[in-house]
Amino acid sequence: DADVTQTPRNRITKTGKRIMLECSQTKGHDRMYWYRQDPGLGLRLIYYSFDVKDINKGEISDGYSVSRQAQAKFSLSLESAIPNQTALYFCATSDSGGPYEQYFGPGTRLTVT
Amino acid sequence: GNSVTQMEGPVTLSEEAFLTINCTYTATGYPSLFWYVQYPGEGLQLLLKATKADDKGSNKGFEATYRKETTSFHLEKGSVQVSDSAVYFCALFSGNTPLVFGKGTRLSVIA
Repeated sequence: DADVTQTPRNRITKTGKRIMLECSQTKGHDRMYWYRQDPGLGLRLIYYSFDVKDINKGEISDGYSVSRQAQAKFSLSLESAIPNQTALYFCATSDSGGPYEQYFGPGTRLTVT
Repeated sequence: GNSVTQMEGPVTLSEEAFLTINCTYTATGYPSLFWYVQYPGEGLQLLLKATKADDKGSNKGFEATYRKETTSFHLEKGSVQVSDSAVYFCALFSGNTPLVFGKGTRLSVIA
């Protein structure tokens, strides 16, 4: 089984709808991250959490919110989806005790029409 | 602040050609450096890493050496295969913040 799972893997939604992307991990890591990937722009950090009670904004947090429900679960919400939020979204985890590399989920492809 | 600059792609090579993807960084302190690979339709996977100056990371025939004097971590492979076609990301960790990624370099290998 995959260590970092994301649901759904694909989603098509309409402008104005609320949508939640979920991430779960079995690696026992305390740190979790949400990224967005757009063609030619690489990865951009949306939010990150260093433990259950810690939430931090990344470089592009506007229009997004997150919830860290447990050490193993970190969800990303789009309160009112807009077409320019169409992208590939990745969740990642890492261990605060090192080594510091991040482990990525398979991604969620979101299309907002 | 910390940053990573990697060569822009796309890079197109014939099978068995030599590959170099350049990566330079700016960081405070002594960062750890990483190369990730993203195959089509998949998430990013750690390819190799180096945690201190002069360390060489290696995996699957790829190598990169942590050069503090030139602040570089260039990715190399002596003979690429079609299966190496992917997007490659250079990244650094420093100062207990999330990894900082380069923008990625797309590699296409043709038979």
